[in-house]
Order: sequence, then C-alpha cells, then structure tokens
Amino acid sequence: EPEVTQTPSHQVTQMGQEVILRCVPISNHLYFYWYRQILGQKVEFLVSFYNNEISEKSEIFDDQFSVERPDGSNFTLKIRSTKLEDSAMYFCASSDSGGYNEQYFGPGTRLTVT
Amino acid sequence: SQKIEQNSEALNIQEGKTATLTCNYTNYSPAYLQWYRQDPGRGPVFLLLIRENEKEKRKERLKVTFDTTLKQSLFHITASQPADSATYLCASRMNYGGSQGNLIFGKGTKLSVKP
Repeated sequence: EPEVTQTPSHQVTQMGQEVILRCVPISNHLYFYWYRQILGQKVEFLVSFYNNEISEKSEIFDDQFSVERPDGSNFTLKIRSTKLEDSAMYFCASSDSGGYNEQYFGPGTRLTVT
Repeated sequence: SQKIEQNSEALNIQEGKTATLTCNYTNYSPAYLQWYRQDPGRGPVFLLLIRENEKEKRKERLKVTFDTTLKQSLFHITASQPADSATYLCASRMNYGGSQGNLIFGKGTKLSVKP
C-alpha cells in the first residue's frame, strides 16, 4: 500500500540553525500539507500546498517557514532560524483531492532544538 | 474561534466491551468530521469520515455518529481488543467553504483496553 515517507526521523539542531524536513507524498496525490505536534498537545495545521503554491497557512507559519516542491516527488519544509519552541513532531500529509477526502500522514520527523 | 474538543483525555475499558469516545465542536458547523487513530510517536491514521447529512457510518467494528443538534460526534469501537489501545483524534476542516482540507484536530482521547 502506498505511504507517505519522511526523512529524517529525528533531527537535532542548535537554536538559530536552518533545518529542512523532507517528505515524499503518495505519488498520485495533488494536495500536500504540513502539521506539527508539540509533545502532549494537539496536531496543528501549518500549511497546505496545491498546484505548486501555498493554498493556506496558519498563524504559526510565519516568515521563518517555507515550503517547496523541488521536483515531482519531494515536498520540503524549511525553518530558517530555529527557536526552542519549534521543537515538535512535524507531520507531512497528502490527499488525492481537497475538501472531504481523508489525508494520509507520514510517520513524522521529531525536531529537537537545543 | 472554531473549536474541536474531546473532553475525555483517557478512557479505560475491559476487552470485549464497547468504547465510546466523544467529540464536540463549537462556533461553526462542519461539513464533515473525521476520526483518526494515532499510536505513540507515529502519524495519525485515517479511520472514518462522516458528513453533516449522515447520521451514522460503520466500518467493521467501528461506528461513528454525527448529531448536528448536539454539535457532537460519537465514535464507537465494539468488541474492543487490547490492539485498539491508542489515541483517537477527531478532526474537521478548518475553514468551512474553502477548497482545501486543512484539518483542525481535537486533543484526542487515549483509549486503553485491558485484557
């Protein structure tokens, strides 16, 4: 069964450093998302991406964040200058259409900012 | 602001019993609700979706209901098994009427099924 993959599974970085989290969505899906989950808290929406551009973004997704689909398979989230409060689990998700359809989540990247 | 709330943080039941989890929403009328399962350190896994014009949806041992009067969805697992132990998340689209499916999640209910 096709699945969303994410790399790395765990990333440790120092405050102020840039990190890039990578995702390979399911191949025939058109809609892509990033969510994050701080330990013990809710899964929170960050950004959605369709047709090579951002569709919507949350208040969390400020100028320090960016997303890119550099080729036909990868979808990346970049954090330019990490803060301690960026420590969280970051999930990539994809769906074959917007609206009602279920989303398929990757296993996540645990980001630890020290 | 739009809210999805799962007021029970944890639910402990005996194997074979029916687990019932509650999801309430406030300040909006979602077109649908989705239920996901999340295991520790893993991403959410989609289970069921119910639309606002559907009263009930079933899939194997799972059943979900949607009551727009009570602004509530109930999620049932019948004949529960220890393998059902996980956190169950309720979710809905954040901005009603938008084309994207950006989800707003509840905090989840951690279900523990004891043998």
